[in-house]
Amino acid sequence: DAGITQSPRHKVTETGTPVTLRCHQTENHRYMYWYRQDPGHGLRLIHYSYGVKDTDKGEVSDGYSVSRSKTEDFLLTLESATSSQTSVYFCAISEPYNEQFFGPGTRLTVL
Amino acid sequence: GQQVMQIPQYQHVQEGEDFTTYCNSSTTLSNIQWYKQRPGGHPVFLIQLVKSGEVKKQKRLTFQFGEAKKNSSLHITATQTTDVGTYFCAGPAQGGSEKLVFGKGTKLTVNP
Repeated sequence: DAGITQSPRHKVTETGTPVTLRCHQTENHRYMYWYRQDPGHGLRLIHYSYGVKDTDKGEVSDGYSVSRSKTEDFLLTLESATSSQTSVYFCAISEPYNEQFFGPGTRLTVL
Repeated sequence: GQQVMQIPQYQHVQEGEDFTTYCNSSTTLSNIQWYKQRPGGHPVFLIQLVKSGEVKKQKRLTFQFGEAKKNSSLHITATQTTDVGTYFCAGPAQGGSEKLVFGKGTKLTVNP
């Protein structure tokens, strides 16, 4: 597997609290992505990054923000978590025109 | 907007039976990728198809890309319990970006 880790792997939080998920890669890949996976919806793109400080929205970006201050780190922040954001979150990395490599995922529960 | 649809959503087979999942895009794709996700795991890249009408094989798995580059299929011959998981197809988002649009996947279960 590609060198990609996510932290935390599991988190339970309460509605209204801020949450930050971290994705770290050791592959020096240019592109990084955040997806959420929910039953019946497959993988949906939240945000992605095409370089340091360069990010763009995906199809389900409302309620989420991201930052990429270094090539290896891509942070996903839920400013005020809601129960609808309970999901499994996957980070992925890729080089241009190539396949994506996924991290192990973070299971987030918002009570 | 652009859609990638997969059917069936679920498929249950007896070990040794064949399995096929179909992927259809609302737009012409420059390429299509397939991923497999084992239960409790993360998606893992299987293959990318680029050419119209392309057929690629990986042991018991056969991948096809349609002539019009809008559909694709994955066929597994003589399924094994190790084939259990969800299979996703994905195509590049419109505009030539590095974003992928994923189908919702086909979940395969195999009865030993």
